[in-house]
Amino acid sequence: SQTIHQWPATLVQPVGSPLSLECTVEGTSNPNLYWYRQAAGRGLQLLFYSVGIGQISSEVPQNLSASRPQDRQFILSSKKLLLSDSGFYLCAWDRDRSLALHFGNGTRLTVT
Amino acid sequence: AQSVSQHNHHVILSEAASLELGCNYSYGGTVNLFWYVQYPGQHLQLLLKYFSGDPLVKGIKGFEAEFIKSKFSFNLRKPSVQWSDTAEYFCAVNAGNYGQNFVFGPGTRLSVLP
Repeated sequence: SQTIHQWPATLVQPVGSPLSLECTVEGTSNPNLYWYRQAAGRGLQLLFYSVGIGQISSEVPQNLSASRPQDRQFILSSKKLLLSDSGFYLCAWDRDRSLALHFGNGTRLTVT
Repeated sequence: AQSVSQHNHHVILSEAASLELGCNYSYGGTVNLFWYVQYPGQHLQLLLKYFSGDPLVKGIKGFEAEFIKSKFSFNLRKPSVQWSDTAEYFCAVNAGNYGQNFVFGPGTRLSVLP
């Protein structure tokens, strides 16, 4: 069966520091991968998605970037964190036309 | 652009009470509809989905939802809630065939009192 791993679960970083959140999927090949940010009372906002290695689409211009160095690995990064980057970040995957997103456990990021 | 609204931010019920969480979307074409649930400390998981056919769909744990096209609604129901149903519930719409077309509602937090 397929599983998705996301780490770390929580992270506290100072303003201006770099960020790297990692997500990996097991048990499937060539998944579509997504990064979402969940804000209280505002649902989930799609940040990035990827349909293949090295292919990244950005939905919202911001201080973050994403990369997909391997088929089942998706990384969310920042060179310099801002206070406004604090939030709950979720990784998800699906297969084309399956229309069922599968989410990781999320990372709670606090920028101080 | 599509949007999804959920009627209540926080619902508090006693065990055995009936539940209905409202969800409305704005999109004039064909849509696929979903309810996701996030239990405390756990990941978001799919509760049920509607693609076509019978507008009354049944999901896990006794939940069901009814798609009413004329009202652009997809309300979630459960006849008798349990304490273990305490969670946050998200309605979502997908008007395309790809995951990047998902639009999520703001969520409704359900607290069930024992």
